[in-house]
Amino acid sequence: DTEVTQTPKHLVMGMTNKKSLKCEQHMGHRAMYWYKQKAKKPPELMFVYSYEKLSINESVPSRFSPECPNSSLLNLHLHALQPEDSALYLCASSQPLGAYLSGANVLTFGAGSRLTVL
Amino acid sequence: KNQVEQSPQSLIILEGKNCTLQCNYTVSPFSNLRWYKQDTGRGPVSLTIMTFSENTKSNGRYTATLDADTKQSSLHITASQLSDSASYICVVSASRGSTLGRLYFGRGTQLTVWP
Repeated sequence: DTEVTQTPKHLVMGMTNKKSLKCEQHMGHRAMYWYKQKAKKPPELMFVYSYEKLSINESVPSRFSPECPNSSLLNLHLHALQPEDSALYLCASSQPLGAYLSGANVLTFGAGSRLTVL
Repeated sequence: KNQVEQSPQSLIILEGKNCTLQCNYTVSPFSNLRWYKQDTGRGPVSLTIMTFSENTKSNGRYTATLDADTKQSSLHITASQLSDSASYICVVSASRGSTLGRLYFGRGTQLTVWP
């Protein structure tokens, strides 16, 4: 299995809703990432987990709450979002951070979850 | 400041023609550079990855070059197909320290292939 699977593909939510985005990989990757991408812009890093521990938080607002229950799963919990949070949310995984191997830190991206906040 | 600049911003070519996309970077210390293809509304897909010692790497009709001295890379697409229409993103990785785990993305080149 060489894929990163994200669910749901599309999500519409109100500003008072609580929802979650899910990401799963079975490639044995020990680093997992959340990126946010607005139209015609490059992905922006939100969070990085390394060995199931949060290693990078790019000063993301607390209405986004990541969770890594195990080495294969990554969740992003959403609460009280704003319309400007509407974007494509990409999950990715890679070899462990610090693995200085050829091809290390090559990210495999999921297809993304398109989020619309009304 | 660690930056990745791509040119052109957009490009239109006819099916069957070749094209070259450019990427300049200032990321230091350099670890590797990769080119991704991203279809609209989809996640990026890796095309090539190049480390410091590699000058050229091919993947089918895609050929990437890297000049680590001038900090420039190019992606050459041969015999373009309609399915090549996508955004091509240059991504550079730093090798250590506080930048470990961070990737620096270019804004991408939007390629459109016309029949």
